[in-house]
Amino acid sequence: AQKVTQAQTEISVVEKEDVTLDCVYETRDTTYYLFWYKQPPSGELVFLIRRNSFDEQNEISGRYSWNFQKSTSSFNFTITASQVVDSAVYFCALSEAVNYGQNFVFGPGTRLSVLP
Amino acid sequence: NAGVTQTPKFQVLKTGQSMTLQCAQDMNHEYMSWYRQDPGMGLRLIHYSVGAGITDQGEVPNGYNVSRSTTEDFPLRLLSAAPSQTSVYFCASSYSGLAKGRTDTQYFGPGTRLTVL
Repeated sequence: AQKVTQAQTEISVVEKEDVTLDCVYETRDTTYYLFWYKQPPSGELVFLIRRNSFDEQNEISGRYSWNFQKSTSSFNFTITASQVVDSAVYFCALSEAVNYGQNFVFGPGTRLSVLP
Repeated sequence: NAGVTQTPKFQVLKTGQSMTLQCAQDMNHEYMSWYRQDPGMGLRLIHYSVGAGITDQGEVPNGYNVSRSTTEDFPLRLLSAAPSQTSVYFCASSYSGLAKGRTDTQYFGPGTRLTVL
């Protein structure tokens, strides 16, 4: 069975600090997809990134970076020089290739508060 | 392109009432899903559909019905509302084309906040 764990329930940082959100996943499938979503206070879900299991390259997009490590089943998300607008709940999600689209499994989310 | 739309945005029901949450997408996506979001639990899958006329149960299907008569629409019906169904409901849609290497994801609607008294 697939499972996603986000051990950090809430994180508070001061603006301009770097912060890393942890995501650990479990799956028996050899091909799978990992995602990060942002849910700002307004409530909508904003797609941030998708990573395929066969592509272990790390990715950087502006102040955001993602570290995918199959050896530890982790897909961590780092925000560099955090800003108040980064305050949101962040969800990590997993979808196995065999049933992609039919079942995304989400972690419980990490609430990030960036203080001015 | 409106993306994924949901109506209503807010709803208050009394225990035992029934209602339908509407979801529509204009992206010609094969897959559509309904999730509920409860505090501290992330999103949990209620029902999903892989195409018109085909639906299946997710992790928490009890108390909900779905149907998919068209590609665009995927309504969620609460047959007899209970306080335990107080939640935020999200509809999502996606292509089924991961095997073709699409760098795609699920697209979510804005959500419906439901309160059952």
